[in-house]
Amino acid sequence: EAQVTQNPRYLITVTGKKLTVTCSQNMNHEYMSWYRQDPGLGLRQIYYSMNVEVTDKGDVPEGYKVSRKEKRNFPLILESPSPNQTSLYFCASSHRLAGGPMGTDTQYFGPGTRLTVL
Amino acid sequence: KNEVEQSPQNLTAQEGEFITINCSYSVGISALHWLQQHPGGGIVSLFMLSSGKKKHGRLIATINIQEKHSSLHITASHPRDSAVYICAVRWGGGADGLTFGKGTHLIIQP
Repeated sequence: EAQVTQNPRYLITVTGKKLTVTCSQNMNHEYMSWYRQDPGLGLRQIYYSMNVEVTDKGDVPEGYKVSRKEKRNFPLILESPSPNQTSLYFCASSHRLAGGPMGTDTQYFGPGTRLTVL
Repeated sequence: KNEVEQSPQNLTAQEGEFITINCSYSVGISALHWLQQHPGGGIVSLFMLSSGKKKHGRLIATINIQEKHSSLHITASHPRDSAVYICAVRWGGGADGLTFGKGTHLIIQP
């Protein structure tokens, strides 16, 4: 079954304790991305990756790191989480159409990770 | 800053009504996505448009590039259509990120 998986689904942690949220897709997609969703602000892009070893900042990258060492995985790292990073996080992936503009294909979303930083 | 505006923010309608949700954006785009977020939180991609019109079942999405505007229509609405509908754009000029509208919370009453 084609899917994007995220782990953990729920996480409560404390300020400053490093954490990683994993994201994996089994569709051989080139493009992967992380978003956060907050009440009243909607979805905002944190980081995205156009392919292995290629990453770029979205609109709200501060406090986050990513890596893309393998095509299927795109972990989100919070080196020193703070309460303002409490949010619902989504990972997504899509194909890059050959010769077409990046990311112009259907986005497949993971189920979300609800993070609370105390 | 480039922006995406959706309207209305909230919409309550009766089963069977024709629904229209609007999305406007500030500058040229290379693609526009319509997403549906279920009450449980999961997000599903409904359409990706770069021009014209697309239809899937009771859902129709249109885009007017000149007017920088897109609409999502639901015909013969049903309570299971109750969800948050989100518009997202990929800006033109080689940009690769996505910018999202704040969503339209739709409730269809039986």
